[in-house]
Amino acid sequence: RKEVEQDPGPFNVPEGATVAFNCTYSNSASQSFFWYRQDCRKEPKLLMSVYSSGNEDGRFTAQLNRASQYISLLIRDSKLSDSATYLCVCGGFKTIFGAGTRLFVKA
Amino acid sequence: EAEVAQSPRYKITEKSQAVAFWCDPISGHATLYWYRQILGQGPELLVQFQDESVVDDSQLPKDRFSAERLKGVDSTLKIQPAELGDSAMYLCASSLGLTANSPLHFGNGTRLTVT
Repeated sequence: RKEVEQDPGPFNVPEGATVAFNCTYSNSASQSFFWYRQDCRKEPKLLMSVYSSGNEDGRFTAQLNRASQYISLLIRDSKLSDSATYLCVCGGFKTIFGAGTRLFVKA
Repeated sequence: EAEVAQSPRYKITEKSQAVAFWCDPISGHATLYWYRQILGQGPELLVQFQDESVVDDSQLPKDRFSAERLKGVDSTLKIQPAELGDSAMYLCASSLGLTANSPLHFGNGTRLTVT
């Protein structure tokens, strides 16, 4: 079993739609959680940290459920520019990346 | 915004040849990481440095890969000899501290093709 698992997608959604991604992690000792965005053939870039209380940044909302060991990312009012791969990241002693979920937003 | 510098951006080499990648982290970032990313997969940690010391190299194929960060600033990753399966994107990242609460900042990466 992978330490960090994500649905690879792809998710194909129209502009303006709301889309949610989940990510599960196996190491209960994981201390910190992030979502990164990666455009095709580019480096990953930090999208947002994920806090226990949940946090929001504009159209993006991240949630953490420690009991069930999963984190989620919700994107509201999807834009064409949101098309990318979204990487779930769990940190403890090691920082482990999921394989990513691909999102395509269509006009 | 400060950036992680990597070079070269692209490298094509023949199998059995040696290849080296360079990374200069964001100034003041004590932790430096080398990741390998195969197309369609997430980044896989190869080696992690805290200053000049190796913190984790458990996934580094030590028979052919080596990494150093001699003065605790910039770093070099070497592959000798290169194999076809080494074709991938090699990403360098840095963070402020050793704890996982510090997010990683990535360089542009080096795309390696082994022929």
